[in-house]
Amino acid sequence: GAGVSQSPRYKVAKRGQDVALRCDPISGHVSLFWYQQALGQGPEFLTYFQNEAQLDKSGLPSDRFFAERPEGSVSTLKIQRTQQEDSAVYLCASSLRTSGHEQYFGPGTRLTVT
Amino acid sequence: GQQVMQIPQYQHVQEGEDFTTYCNSSTTLSNIQWYKQRPGGHPVFLIQLVKSGEVKKQKRLTFQFGEAKKNSSLHITATQTTDVGTYFCAGYPYAGNNRKLIWGLGTSLAVNP
Repeated sequence: GAGVSQSPRYKVAKRGQDVALRCDPISGHVSLFWYQQALGQGPEFLTYFQNEAQLDKSGLPSDRFFAERPEGSVSTLKIQRTQQEDSAVYLCASSLRTSGHEQYFGPGTRLTVT
Repeated sequence: GQQVMQIPQYQHVQEGEDFTTYCNSSTTLSNIQWYKQRPGGHPVFLIQLVKSGEVKKQKRLTFQFGEAKKNSSLHITATQTTDVGTYFCAGYPYAGNNRKLIWGLGTSLAVNP
């Protein structure tokens, strides 16, 4: 079946622009996670949804970062007024049930802020 | 805060040699997961360990979870070039925020043919 998909795969933004990154999880997966991965580092947790409820947003680095999953399926991560330090790969993962289970990752969106 | 350390950070081996990466948590974990990320790719789930002292095998890969549920290891026997990538451990802590996987920094494996 289809895995997790993300779009766009690559995004170049000028500093100060807003960006929106999309994640399509595996159909029927309850949990959805967003991670930020810098080069040579492990994934850093940003936020977690259980269905449409955002249960944990403790990893969002600033109030410029906002995520939503209004219908409990597709999710969007929005970054306002991008800064150079926002350059990273943004990974989305979904899990069949609530947290504690294996996560399936999408290919990621590589964001470069110039 | 809660941390998961992995050693070594990098490992170069000749094809056919064995490889081991170690994962140590500052806190007791309810479970630990292992993922593999190929260069330019995304993390792919390998296995989950839940029980104290658990050992699981997948072909040439052997995974262990420590008795205290604070450490884990991944051992690859007779490495192949297809094993190249970064291996991450990630665990759910018992205490505190148990919705959030705590990730190690990974061990990057290079295999010389």
